[in-house]
Amino acid sequence: SQQGEEDPQALSIQEGENATMNCSYKTSINNLQWYRQNSGRGLVHLILIRSNEREKHSGRLRVTLDTSKKSSSLLITASRAADTASYFCATENDYKLSFGAGTTVTVRA
Amino acid sequence: ETGVTQTPRHLVMGMTNKKSLKCEQHLGHNAMYWYKQSAKKPLELMFVYNFKEQTENNSVPSRFSPECPNSSHLFLHLHTLQPEDSALYLCASSQVDIQRGGYTFGSGTRLTVV
Repeated sequence: SQQGEEDPQALSIQEGENATMNCSYKTSINNLQWYRQNSGRGLVHLILIRSNEREKHSGRLRVTLDTSKKSSSLLITASRAADTASYFCATENDYKLSFGAGTTVTVRA
Repeated sequence: ETGVTQTPRHLVMGMTNKKSLKCEQHLGHNAMYWYKQSAKKPLELMFVYNFKEQTENNSVPSRFSPECPNSSHLFLHLHTLQPEDSALYLCASSQVDIQRGGYTFGSGTRLTVV
């Protein structure tokens, strides 16, 4: 069943700008993960943040987690055309991942 | 290559056909999963295998039949499918006892039922 919901559904930005997308979820979690999917391909794991963590960085990615609000955000800084993809948040509980519908990000050159 | 290989990449089948999707991982993971991704919908978890034992069947119709002969291989047997079963079928694997990384996905099988 769907656990996370991403917002916005779609985002179009200029190369070099930052992209921010949000994820809200309903129940308690062990961790929250973000994935990227290029058109019609498999998902690529980007970053995992545990329920006791508040912020995590990986390269140009910054993820925050607020368990009191049951929400997370993914920030991509200095975007590039290659960042064009769909981004999904997924919540893990009992070793199972539940995905949201995703945010489609288009980076214009 | 992610370490999870799915074959075939594309499959077109009639409603009376029987076919199988194959997934193989050589990452030493102990859990494997089948997900269905339809257009404009979130990924749907279909089946979970932990240590070769099926631990989850999310109300999937019996025309989908999973098989996990060992911890490296996972199959999805298909028979008498419906056009609404057309979707991208994704296999994933993970190490369930380590909370370091996420799932590793294959590139998927694009299934079209005609």
